This record gives sequence, C-alpha cells and structure tokens, in this order.
Amino acid sequence: DAGVTQSPTHLIKTRGQQVTLRCSPKSGHDTVSWYQQALGQGPQFIFQYYEEEERQRGNFPDRFSGHQFPNYSSELNVNALLLGDSALYLCASSFDRATGELFFGEGSRLTVL
Amino acid sequence: EDQVTQSPEALRLQEGESSSLNCSYTVSGLRGLFWYRQDPGKGPEFLFTLYSAGEEKEKERLKATLTKKESFLHITAPKPEDSATYLCAGQTGANNLFFGTGTRLTVIP
Repeated sequence: DAGVTQSPTHLIKTRGQQVTLRCSPKSGHDTVSWYQQALGQGPQFIFQYYEEEERQRGNFPDRFSGHQFPNYSSELNVNALLLGDSALYLCASSFDRATGELFFGEGSRLTVL
Repeated sequence: EDQVTQSPEALRLQEGESSSLNCSYTVSGLRGLFWYRQDPGKGPEFLFTLYSAGEEKEKERLKATLTKKESFLHITAPKPEDSATYLCAGQTGANNLFFGTGTRLTVIP
C-alpha cells in the first residue's frame, strides 16, 4: 500500500516564476492538506482540500492556490515566487477531514534563487 | 494568538539516559494535542494524540502526557534510533494543526 507520494522531490526556481507541486494521498484517504516547513521550523498549514474544494486556509497569500482532483490527488501552485518561499512543502492526507492524525509525504524541497 | 512552544530546542542524551521533552500551548478551542516524529529529509510521522488533561499514551520507549497547559514526551532508556526531531502540534477548532518548532534529539551510543 503506497503512502503519500509527492513530486518533484527537489526543484530550483528563480524569483517571479511559478511552480506546481503534486501529491497523491494514501489509499483510502479523501482529504489532503498542504504545509510549508522552512528550515529549522515546524510545518505551517497552508490549506486543506476535501471533495475537490478548499475547506480551510492558513495565513498564506493568494499567490498560493491549489486543486483537488476527483481521484483525491492534489496540486499546490505558487505564483510570483519570492526568496522566502524556499522551503519543504509537505502534503498530508487523512481519511477524515476532522482528524489531526495525518500521513505525510516526504515533501518537495523548493529553492528560489 | 495560538502558540505552541517546545523545549529544549536540542537535546543530547547518552544511550539509556531517560529524559522528557516539553510542549506548552495556548491554543483556543484545542481539540487535540499531537506528537509527531520527523527524521531528516522526511515528512513527520504520527506518534500520539491526546485529548484531555490527565490522558497518557505509550508506544515502546515513548510516553506522552497532557495537562491543561503542557504536554510532555517522556523517553525511557533511549536508543540511537530514537534520534529525530519531535514535533508537538495543537489542533484547533479549524481542524488544522499548529506545530511547534520541535526538539532535535540526538542519542549517543
């Protein structure tokens, strides 16, 4: 049983560019959340998707957007990249949108130059 | 403002030397307190959920406890494979997790 898979694992972009990160949830899970983890910090909640809709959002600007597909997979898009967007982006899935027991992927490491 | 503070930031233990990690929280409408383990280059791995003061959970050498303001992760007779960053998180009424910055544990053989 595959866990949460994310792609790409590493990528380098320059300021002003756009990036799309992808996530496939654990089998049987219908809720996907995205977190940003800067170096030496704890993960910060970006948003949660359930039934193909953004259900909750953390304190992130509109440059951060997402999508969930009918098969529950999800994308995170970041526009107009800033140096401060450099971080590990973590996707987490759960079988229940109300649970805090999350299954995380290994993340996508984004470097913005 | 919701806040989760973990201490110490880093902890070095000799193998077999027991200790505790602290997580203090001020989270309005706290629905649960969570502990995760994160290895370098990996995503966090769920360990425990605590819902009410006085609750305790155990798993191998780890035991998590909860009071009204703090949670502790007790590590008994740690082994080198217990080396990792341990993250504490509060779940708010908004159903998202609010993480602390973690305690980086190193267990020396």
